[in-house]
Amino acid sequence: LAKTTQPISMDSYEGQEVNITCSHNNIATNDYITWYQQFPSQGPRFIIQGYKTKVTNEVASLFIPADRKSSTLSLPRVSLSDTAVYYCLVGAENYGQNFVFGPGTRLSVLP
Amino acid sequence: NAGVTQTPKFQVLKTGQSMTLQCAQDMNHEYMSWYRQDPGMGLRLIHYSVGAGITDQGEVPNGYNVSRSTTEDFPLRLLSAAPSQTSVYFCASSHLEAGANVLTFGAGSRLTVL
Repeated sequence: LAKTTQPISMDSYEGQEVNITCSHNNIATNDYITWYQQFPSQGPRFIIQGYKTKVTNEVASLFIPADRKSSTLSLPRVSLSDTAVYYCLVGAENYGQNFVFGPGTRLSVLP
Repeated sequence: NAGVTQTPKFQVLKTGQSMTLQCAQDMNHEYMSWYRQDPGMGLRLIHYSVGAGITDQGEVPNGYNVSRSTTEDFPLRLLSAAPSQTSVYFCASSHLEAGANVLTFGAGSRLTVL
């Protein structure tokens, strides 16, 4: 599996846009990029997934450059409730048995 | 549709005791897995299964056993609990199909070993 690197922590203020970048230099051709969010005392939950270019849903956007060696999760106008840990995972259907989570990025949204 | 259900939510054990953490999913997912999460840390994969009768080890399998007799259930057994196994345990499942897979997690089981 491609190893990922993310910032350990980030601070932001309410109403700002937050961008969290994940590096995955060894991403394979079949690999997808998936982001999860985890609140304290809860299991992670899926936010967004993409393969290339840009993906947007009601929660976030995911930007993936042409070389796919990195990706950026964008959270528009964050609120206090977006304070959580965000994990970037890279893998493909053949690696369903091996989702490996790194330490993630701890986002703190301040009032 | 309950998703992934874990029991118990909390458990306190004494060193050397054994117990089983239960995990059940009602989404007909082929893939199921167990993670542990220590305070302030990411999730570490303990064991996983890609279908009934098939299990394999993850990053940190020592001290844990699993079995998969049905598609729905994937229990995690602690054979002889140690304080180092104090952690929060998460069960997760997903389909195995073309395209990337998305994990659905349970609410977690908090285990304390004294």
